[in-house]
Amino acid sequence: DTGVSQDPRHKITKRGQNVTFRCDPISEHNRLYWYRQTLGQGPEFLTYFQNEAQLEKSRLLSDRFSAERPKGSFSTLEIQRTEQGDSAMYLCASSLAWNSYNEQFFGPGTRLTVL
Amino acid sequence: LAKTTQPISMDSYEGQEVNITCSHNNIATNDYITWYQQFPSQGPRFIIQGYKTKVTNEVASLFIPADRKSSTLSLPRVSLSDTAVYYCLVGDIDNAGNMLTFGGGTRLMVKP
Repeated sequence: DTGVSQDPRHKITKRGQNVTFRCDPISEHNRLYWYRQTLGQGPEFLTYFQNEAQLEKSRLLSDRFSAERPKGSFSTLEIQRTEQGDSAMYLCASSLAWNSYNEQFFGPGTRLTVL
Repeated sequence: LAKTTQPISMDSYEGQEVNITCSHNNIATNDYITWYQQFPSQGPRFIIQGYKTKVTNEVASLFIPADRKSSTLSLPRVSLSDTAVYYCLVGDIDNAGNMLTFGGGTRLMVKP
C-alpha cells in the first residue's frame, strides 16, 4: 500500500498522560499536514511541514502539542498532559507542493480517546 | 477565506442523480472550488476541483455559474457506497501552505 499511513489507529489514554502519533506520507510528497476532527465536524488544520521545516501552526495548536518531521519523511505529533478535550480523530495528509490541484491525500487517522 | 454554506444532510435512492449545492458568496478571484468525500472512520478523499463553468471526471461533475458565488456537485446514478459526507472547499491553490479549510459538510444518505 503506497498511501498515507498512520499509527496507531486507536489510542485510549488517561488524562494527564502523553501520547505520540506517527504519520508516514506518500514517499515523494514534500508537504505533510496534520488536522484534527471532532465528531460531526469537518477536519481543522493544525500544522504543516514542507520537507523538514514546520512552516505554519494553527492557533488551535496549544503549547502541549508538538510536531516534528526530522528527516522530511515521517512525522510525529505529540500531545503532552492530555485533556478530555483532546479526544478527536487526528488526520495526517500529504501532497506535492505546487501540484495542479493541491490534492491532499489523507491517512485513515488516529482516534484518540482521553478518559 | 471565503465561507461556504451547504445543506447539512440529503437523502437519495440508488440510481438517482444527486446534486449538492454550495454557496460561497465571498469567493475571491484566485479561489478554486474543491470537493472532498469522507467515509466513516476514513480520511477525506479528493473528488473534483474547478474554477468556472463545468468540470467532469469519472466520479462526478462540478457546475459553476458565471458569477462563481455557488457551485453544484453532481453525482450520477448514486449507489449505497456513495453514502458519505461531502465537503465543499474554496481557496487559492497557489497560497503558501495550501491548508484546507473544511466546513461542516453535507451528509448524503443513499437508500436502497
